[in-house]
Amino acid sequence: DAGVIQSPRHEVTEMGQEVTLRCKPISGHDYLFWYRQTMMRGLELLIYFNNNVPIDDSGMPEDRFSAKMPNASFSTLKIQPSEPRDSAVYFCASRPDSGYNEQFFGPGTRLTVL
Amino acid sequence: DAKTTQPTSMDCAEGRAANLPCNHSTISGNEYVYWYRQIHSQGPQYIIHGLKNNETNEMASLIITEDRKSSTLILPHATLRDTAVYYCIVSDGGTSYGKLTFGQGTILTVHP
Repeated sequence: DAGVIQSPRHEVTEMGQEVTLRCKPISGHDYLFWYRQTMMRGLELLIYFNNNVPIDDSGMPEDRFSAKMPNASFSTLKIQPSEPRDSAVYFCASRPDSGYNEQFFGPGTRLTVL
Repeated sequence: DAKTTQPTSMDCAEGRAANLPCNHSTISGNEYVYWYRQIHSQGPQYIIHGLKNNETNEMASLIITEDRKSSTLILPHATLRDTAVYYCIVSDGGTSYGKLTFGQGTILTVHP
């Protein structure tokens, strides 16, 4: 298995633009997580899905952020409009419904908003 | 989830054991102790977890005190590749719960 796949790996955009981050979880995994990491705030959980259904989005910072999981093999995190303070590394992770919380993380997308 | 306290940084000589402590004095009976690490510029990686018994796998050992208020992650023979941020997390992460709350972790530096 290729592991969790994220694209793009790097994204540079200008303030006000729409940004879409993509994630392909490991096949067979029932949970998918989106995290954001910055120097100031560390690694924060934004939202997670179970069987494609959003379970907890309390970490989504504001309405400019939205996440979808249209099927078991694909998820997107969208920021519209983007702002410089959204600059961060965004990680996607997945895990099976195995009874414990071993999450498998992707390589991350480094987002820079100018 | 219970809060954890870890030292900000630690050093270890290559080939020696690295012992990383974690305090979780407010842990409740159904909460597990998880350890993850994050090597620079990579996503976090699961290491080990435990409830109340000591655990060992190919990466590390986890020692949990009898009262479960603290634990120690042991890397028996640290290598330079073990230089990373190590996160101790308390979570009731069973089949119904998914959340892991990452703190600031311990920066472990393994030097030659």
